[in-house]
Amino acid sequence: DGGITQSPKYLFRKEGQNVTLSCEQNLNHDAMYWYRQDPGQGLRLIYYSQIVNDFQKGDIAEGYSVSREKKESFPLTVTSAQKNPTAFYLCASSLGGSGYEQFFGPGTRLTVL
Amino acid sequence: AQSVTQLDSQVPVFEEAPVELRCNYSSSVSVYLFWYVQYPNQGLQLLLKYLSGSTLVKGINGFEAEFNKSQTSFHLRKPSVHISDTAEYFCAVSDLAGGYNKLIFGAGTRLAVHP
Repeated sequence: DGGITQSPKYLFRKEGQNVTLSCEQNLNHDAMYWYRQDPGQGLRLIYYSQIVNDFQKGDIAEGYSVSREKKESFPLTVTSAQKNPTAFYLCASSLGGSGYEQFFGPGTRLTVL
Repeated sequence: AQSVTQLDSQVPVFEEAPVELRCNYSSSVSVYLFWYVQYPNQGLQLLLKYLSGSTLVKGINGFEAEFNKSQTSFHLRKPSVHISDTAEYFCAVSDLAGGYNKLIFGAGTRLAVHP
């Protein structure tokens, strides 16, 4: 079945540690996205990538980094510079261009201890 | 900048009653509009979308939405809800001038269906 997988589902981190969230898709989509979800705030865009080896900052990129070495994969690193990293992180992909539906993964819940 | 306002943060309703979840957007250019549903601790699933054509859009699970350009609204409706419709619902707008598929999301409406 085609879809998007995210791992791990739950992640705990100590303050000062970097962590990497995995996102893989087998939909052959060109575009991939990372969102952060906090209660009552909807989804906010962290980074997006329209094509392999290219990515752009979204609205809240500070303290995060990404890479796009393969079409199927778009990992997100939450660095120690992110002041409030506890949140639900969602990865999405689409065919690219306006009007195409974004398909979402199941999410990773990150908690900083 | 574009924005999306979901007018109700929570909507309680009894099973088999009708429901309307309200969404307004701000944009001076043409837009594409989406409604997504999110069940607890899961990702988002597309309910329906408006790209062009008929202003009444039908989606999955018996939901429909009406695009009203003059009122910049895209309200979601269902004539009879079920317990299983309990979830959070997000309205989103796609900026056609952005050059990429950027979605702006509303803050969400939590629908609670009671027996």
